[in-house]
Amino acid sequence: AQSVTQPDIHITVSEGASLELRCNYSYGATPYLFWYVQSPGQGLQLLLKYFSGDTLVQGIKGFEAEFKRSQSSFNLRKPSVHWSDAAEYFCAVGAEGTYKYIFGTGTRLKVLA
Amino acid sequence: EPEVTQTPSHQVTQMGQEVILRCVPISNHLYFYWYRQILGQKVEFLVSFYNNEISEKSEIFDDQFSVERPDGSNFTLKIRSTKLEDSAMYFCASRLSRGEKLFFGSGTQLSVL
Repeated sequence: AQSVTQPDIHITVSEGASLELRCNYSYGATPYLFWYVQSPGQGLQLLLKYFSGDTLVQGIKGFEAEFKRSQSSFNLRKPSVHWSDAAEYFCAVGAEGTYKYIFGTGTRLKVLA
Repeated sequence: EPEVTQTPSHQVTQMGQEVILRCVPISNHLYFYWYRQILGQKVEFLVSFYNNEISEKSEIFDDQFSVERPDGSNFTLKIRSTKLEDSAMYFCASRLSRGEKLFFGSGTQLSVL
């Protein structure tokens, strides 16, 4: 069965520091992979997605993620975090043969001034 | 960018009452979804809808839940007899095709008292 694991529930970084949020998935075939961000009281906004091709994908707001098949990972990175990046980040997986996306439990990012 | 619209943004109801949550997906989209997020928990898939029928549903989506696309623009989620544990943020989403990203609405916060 498909599953998504985000091992870090909370992460705190200082503004200007680099960021990496971890995501591991379980699925037999090549999945579609997504990162969404949710600001307090808001809906889910897509940061980036991976379907195929180049394993390093660029997203909005300066985020990028790298698909590593050997590690079943799709970690989200940003070289320099801004205070406005404080939010909850969700990794999600979808795949052929299913209509749904499976979401991870989320990582709440706190940014220190 | 086109948007998925959800109304109302907040709904308060008494336990045992019926509620209908409304969504207007993006106009040319063909796949429609409901997800929910209980406070502090992950986003959970409820149901997907394609070609005027349910294409996939989760174990959460029991007989108390139903979905409908009554006309060419609206997509509704009905809960027949609400329970306390139905309190959550309900997100509607749509997409054009199976390989495309999901667009999420900003959610309806349902509070069952």
